[in-house]
Amino acid sequence: GAVVSQHPSWVICKSGTSVKIECRSLDFQATTMFWYRQFPKQSLMLMATSNEGSKATYEQGVEKDKFLINHASLTLSTLTVTSAHPEDSSFYICSASGTWASDYYNEQFFGPGTRLTVL
Amino acid sequence: LAKTTQPISMDSYEGQEVNITCSHNNIATNDYITWYQQFPSQGPRFIIQGYKTKVTNEVASLFIPADRKSSTLSLPRVSLSDTAVYYCLFHNNAGNMLTFGGGTRLMVKP
Repeated sequence: GAVVSQHPSWVICKSGTSVKIECRSLDFQATTMFWYRQFPKQSLMLMATSNEGSKATYEQGVEKDKFLINHASLTLSTLTVTSAHPEDSSFYICSASGTWASDYYNEQFFGPGTRLTVL
Repeated sequence: LAKTTQPISMDSYEGQEVNITCSHNNIATNDYITWYQQFPSQGPRFIIQGYKTKVTNEVASLFIPADRKSSTLSLPRVSLSDTAVYYCLFHNNAGNMLTFGGGTRLMVKP
């Protein structure tokens, strides 16, 4: 299947700083990318959906000014956690889908995740 | 928004067949049912997808009754490495957004 990478795989930062997480589709063009957050022993929670060249659509309760999403190309989306606080510590996962990436209906390909720890 | 309901957890032993059932009473006509597997600290991985009846691939089978209000993922002869969380999903009719339910935590014991 298609491959999605994330960078970094883990990051530790001080409270108040900003952290950028990259999500790349390595061998297909991702028309849509999704960002999820997952707390320990819980399910994935969709944060936002982004289409290349458009503003991201945020889920209810997700602060768009705090979680900045940019999807400037068909292979790259970034999530920036601004002024991070300890409660933002979580596992952030991106996924991508593309028209010709899969034989299955709207299959999403997930990145390996980024573990963010805010001290 | 339609939701899925799965058992929170299941235990099994190596070599057994495991069936995980998911209820989705409000599934839309155009929705496909997809199952993903997630290991700790990893992103989910696609297992199988179907619309109705039965689908089989190299790792699993998916049974979907005619009313499509439920689906059953069947894992033949599980091994310890199948210990993971399994999610049943379908696509929101507004697009290709996925909504994750609670998932089923499968524990395979020796």
